[in-house]
Amino acid sequence: QSALTQPASVSGSPGQSITISCTGTSSDIGGYDYVSWYQQHPGKAPKLMIYDVSNRPSGISNRFSGSKSGSTASLTISGLQAEDEADYYCNSYTRSDTWVFGGGTKLTVL
Amino acid sequence: QVQLVEFGGGVVQPGRSLRLSCAASGFTFSRYGMHWVRQAPGKGLEWVAVIWYDGSQKHYADSVRSRFSISRDNSKNMLYLQMNSLRVEDTALFYCARESDDGDAFDVWGQGTMVTVSS
Repeated sequence: QSALTQPASVSGSPGQSITISCTGTSSDIGGYDYVSWYQQHPGKAPKLMIYDVSNRPSGISNRFSGSKSGSTASLTISGLQAEDEADYYCNSYTRSDTWVFGGGTKLTVL
Repeated sequence: QVQLVEFGGGVVQPGRSLRLSCAASGFTFSRYGMHWVRQAPGKGLEWVAVIWYDGSQKHYADSVRSRFSISRDNSKNMLYLQMNSLRVEDTALFYCARESDDGDAFDVWGQGTMVTVSS
């Protein structure tokens, strides 16, 4: 149950787009379309942003999008806004009937 | 409104036990799988355990298997996490989370309850 691999930090200016990668294995991301992404602001509970690789829950801005290629999933945020500054975590279902998170990525809006 | 409220955290010595509880409201609790997720201070999220909607299956992270036990009482809309043989490295904010019915994701989270393991 090794954690999925995410970059520790990414940054972008308002209005720009950024992409956060999340790399796993054939036992998790590569084997299932059950990848989700969470946004967490300091001192707050995580919030679901993307589920099943590329689906947005009701109320989530279409500036957030997800994709997957092989064992790597990606979260793209377009039209960056100051309020997007937060920690982002990917998650995947695994072959062992368990779930695994990525280490988290801190997004800084410059 | 849909809500999860965790309680039962506290300060405990290494090797001791603690039971966390999560009270669910605003939705049909018995229809949903439920998870525990923890976050050590200043660290990332770590998935801990899942229990199916009817309690028929339970799965654990390697780091807690054989020490932690997840359970639920659908008649009371309650989720539990029994934690035994606690270690310093179990110190974390523990969240309960609902598994979405659109897919394998966590769509509702509580605010968490803090567990500190220290001598």
